Amino acid sequence: AQKVTQAQTEISVVEKEDVTLDCVYETRDTTYYLFWYKQPPSGELVFLIRRNSFDEQNEISGRYSWNFQKSTSSFNFTITASQVVDSAVYFCALSEVDSGNTPLVFGKGTRLSVIA
Amino acid sequence: DGGITQSPKYLFRKEGQNVTLSCEQNLNHDAMYWYRQDPGQGLRLIYYSQIVNDFQKGDIAEGYSVSREKKESFPLTVTSAQKNPTAFYLCASSKVVDRGYTFGSGTRLTVV
Repeated sequence: AQKVTQAQTEISVVEKEDVTLDCVYETRDTTYYLFWYKQPPSGELVFLIRRNSFDEQNEISGRYSWNFQKSTSSFNFTITASQVVDSAVYFCALSEVDSGNTPLVFGKGTRLSVIA
Repeated sequence: DGGITQSPKYLFRKEGQNVTLSCEQNLNHDAMYWYRQDPGQGLRLIYYSQIVNDFQKGDIAEGYSVSREKKESFPLTVTSAQKNPTAFYLCASSKVVDRGYTFGSGTRLTVV
């Protein structure tokens, strides 16, 4: 069965520090998608990135970067030079394709607090 | 602008009452989903629907019911059989082949 583990429940950093949020997943499928979402205090989930299982290239978008490693079943998210506006709960999620386009399964989330 | 609208934002229910949470989308998405969020539990799937007039149970469907009579609408009813309904409820939608989900702003349900 598919599973997503975010071992870090809460992280606090000082502004301008770099921070990495860990995500480890389990799946038997060869084809799957991985996601990161941000949930600010307002509650709505904001899509950050989608990565398919055949694309192991790391991705950088501004201060955000993602490291996908199939060998360790990890899809980690790094924020460089963190800002107070990055404070939110971040969720990693998985959707299996071979098993029939299953709905997203989410990790329990990591609450990031960036202190000025 | 296209998006998902959930209403109401806050809802209070007395024990023993059924309540219905609204979810409407104008994105022309085929699939719609309901998730429940509790502190420290992440998001857990209640029900989902990939086409009109069809839906499937998620991991925690007991005490909930849904309908999908129109592509744009996927209301969730929290019945009196749900033992612990106080939670934050999120609705989402997606194109079947495009797995990016768009989420609504959520409904916070409190049992009083």
